[in-house]
Amino acid sequence: GAVVSQHPSRVICKSGTSVKIECRSLDFQATTMFWYRQFPKKSLMLMATSNEGSKATYEQGVEKDKFLINHASLTLSTLTVTSAHPEDSSFYICSASSPGTSASYEQYFGPGTRLTVT
Amino acid sequence: AQSVTQLDSHVSVSEGTPVLLRCNYSSSYSPSLFWYVQHPNKGLQLLLKYTSAATLVKGINGFEAEFKKSETSFHLTKPSAHMSDAAEYFCVVGDSGYALNFGKGTSLLVTP
Repeated sequence: GAVVSQHPSRVICKSGTSVKIECRSLDFQATTMFWYRQFPKKSLMLMATSNEGSKATYEQGVEKDKFLINHASLTLSTLTVTSAHPEDSSFYICSASSPGTSASYEQYFGPGTRLTVT
Repeated sequence: AQSVTQLDSHVSVSEGTPVLLRCNYSSSYSPSLFWYVQHPNKGLQLLLKYTSAATLVKGINGFEAEFKKSETSFHLTKPSAHMSDAAEYFCVVGDSGYALNFGKGTSLLVTP
């Protein structure tokens, strides 16, 4: 149980275009989803926290107009990178927690999406 | 904010020898601490977690970690390394809003 999927696993887009990444909880209802960014050989950096039906809370330094997060249902959150530039190339990872697990910080991670902007 | 510091960016051990990956934490309250592993091109996998119960936490694949409040440490150990243990390991602390703060990671290399 507690499986989180991401789609696509890899995406290449041209500079200036937008790309959407989906994060789905397959077998549980995710009231909270988190989006992380991982640079090569680097740690994960929390970008934003989204609660179902609410606006996402962005970490300091993360542009909310560039990284649009939607969490419209209990099983789906999307991250849209708008007007992508090469510096947005990275590995994006989502995680999800349910009402029963959030208080224990238990998060279930997706496999990640490799974004390359050319 | 709660934070963790992983003291080694790279650790190399021989197969069959013990593994020690070091982590110190900074927290204004009793922390929730975790170790995650990330194999190349794979997702993050939870190895173990400490949430104020027993100070010695046993995880999967023979790993364990000991919470030492006096030393603000949560080091990860394994008695005998396998080749399959080669991966990136992250020490993680729970923060406000149920978010997780990751350490910079320790890359474990296991040599034959």
